[in-house]
Amino acid sequence: DAGVTQSPTHLIKTRGQQVTLRCSPISGHKSVSWYQQVLGQGPQFIFQYYEKEERGRGNFPDRFSARQFPNYSSELNVNALLLGDSALYLCASSLTVVMVYGYTFGSGTRLTVV
Amino acid sequence: DAKTTQPNSMESNEEEPVHLPCNHSTISGTDYIHWYRQLPSQGPEYVIHGLTSNVNNRMASLAIAEDRKSSTLILHRATLRDAAVYYCILQSNFGNEKLTFGTGTRLTIIP
Repeated sequence: DAGVTQSPTHLIKTRGQQVTLRCSPISGHKSVSWYQQVLGQGPQFIFQYYEKEERGRGNFPDRFSARQFPNYSSELNVNALLLGDSALYLCASSLTVVMVYGYTFGSGTRLTVV
Repeated sequence: DAKTTQPNSMESNEEEPVHLPCNHSTISGTDYIHWYRQLPSQGPEYVIHGLTSNVNNRMASLAIAEDRKSSTLILHRATLRDAAVYYCILQSNFGNEKLTFGTGTRLTIIP
């Protein structure tokens, strides 16, 4: 079975540009979460979506937005990129909105802003 | 979110047991204790979780103190593939879906 798939794997953007990152959850998983991991730190929660509705939002500016599609895949959008947005962006899926069963993470998208 | 405290780094010899400690003195009665690990160039990987009783799975064991203020992740026989950053995370089962990662413990396995 395929795990959590993220695309692209690497991306280089210029300050001020916009970027869209994509995530396909494990088949049957209805919850998708997004995390940002800056070098040397643990991942930080950005969003969680369940059944196409936002269920949680971390402490990130409005430049960050996301959505979940009917097939449970998800996109993370970041507008007006800053150098500080350079990070590994991780997507995690789970069977339900309750996390007791554990999240499965993808390998992430490495975003570099120059 | 309740806070966890872990050593920044640990070393262990290959094929020996590893005990990774985590302190969580402000844990509430409904908080689950989760462990994830992150291998180089990969996303975090679920290892194990528990509430009150000790837990075992194919990857590891989780020993939870009787007062639940600390826990220990036990790798019974470390291999080089266990070299990773290990995160201890508390998570409430009451709709708080996010994982709050700290800086974790970087485990180095010595051949």
